[in-house]
Amino acid sequence: GAGVSQSPSNKVTEKGKDVELRCDPISGHTALYWYRQSLGQGLEFLIYFQGNSAPDKSGLPSDRFSAERTGGSVSTLTIQRTQQEDSAVYLCASSLGPGAGGNTIYFGEGSWLTVV
Amino acid sequence: GDSVTQMEGPVTLSEEAFLTINCTYTATGYPSLFWYVQYPGEGLQLLLKATKADDKGSNKGFEATYRKETTSFHLEKGSVQVSDSAVYFCALSESSSGYALNFGKGTSLLVTP
Repeated sequence: GAGVSQSPSNKVTEKGKDVELRCDPISGHTALYWYRQSLGQGLEFLIYFQGNSAPDKSGLPSDRFSAERTGGSVSTLTIQRTQQEDSAVYLCASSLGPGAGGNTIYFGEGSWLTVV
Repeated sequence: GDSVTQMEGPVTLSEEAFLTINCTYTATGYPSLFWYVQYPGEGLQLLLKATKADDKGSNKGFEATYRKETTSFHLEKGSVQVSDSAVYFCALSESSSGYALNFGKGTSLLVTP
C-alpha cells in the first residue's frame, strides 16, 4: 500500500550490538518523525525531520541514538551499543507538511526491538 | 513544557454503554489537540482533532470538544461497540515544540458483548 513502511517489523539483538531501523514515509511527505513506545511509558518523541531543515533531535535519549534522512525520503534510526532498556516499539510517522494541526500525521506499524 | 494527562485504564464497558475518557493538557501556547487510536495488531490512526478553542472533533461516533477554560479534550461516545476495543491516546501539537505530537500514556478500552 501507500502507507508508512517500516523494517524490520521485529528485531532481536544482543546487548552491545548496533541496530538500524528503516522508515519509508508516504511519497511526497516532507515531515518525518520517530517515536518510541515502551510498556508503561507511552509514546516518546525522538526526532523530527522537515524538508531540508536541520532535524529536531531534542527527544533522543542519549548519544547512542542517531537518525538520518537521505534525499528527503527514507530515514534510518541507529542505536549503537544497545542496552536492555532500549527494548521498545519504534514508530515512524510522516505528514505532508509541518504542523499536525493542518496536516494529518500517519504512523507506520512499528519495529519491535528486543535487546537480550 | 507541554504535557498531556489522560485517565489510566484499563476501562471495561458493556456494549452500548456510554464512554468518556478524560484528557487534560498543559501547553505554553495554543496547541492543536488530537485523539489517536491503536487497534490490536495495528498502527496508530488519527481518530479526530480540533485546532482551536471550542472546536469539536468527531469521527465514527466519537466526539471531543477543545475546552480552553478547563484545558481539556475529553473523548466521548454515546454507545460503544465491541469493535471499539483499542488503546486511545490523547495528544497535542504546537509550533513551540516543532509540531511534534506530545502524547498521553494511553487508555486501554475493552468492550464486552
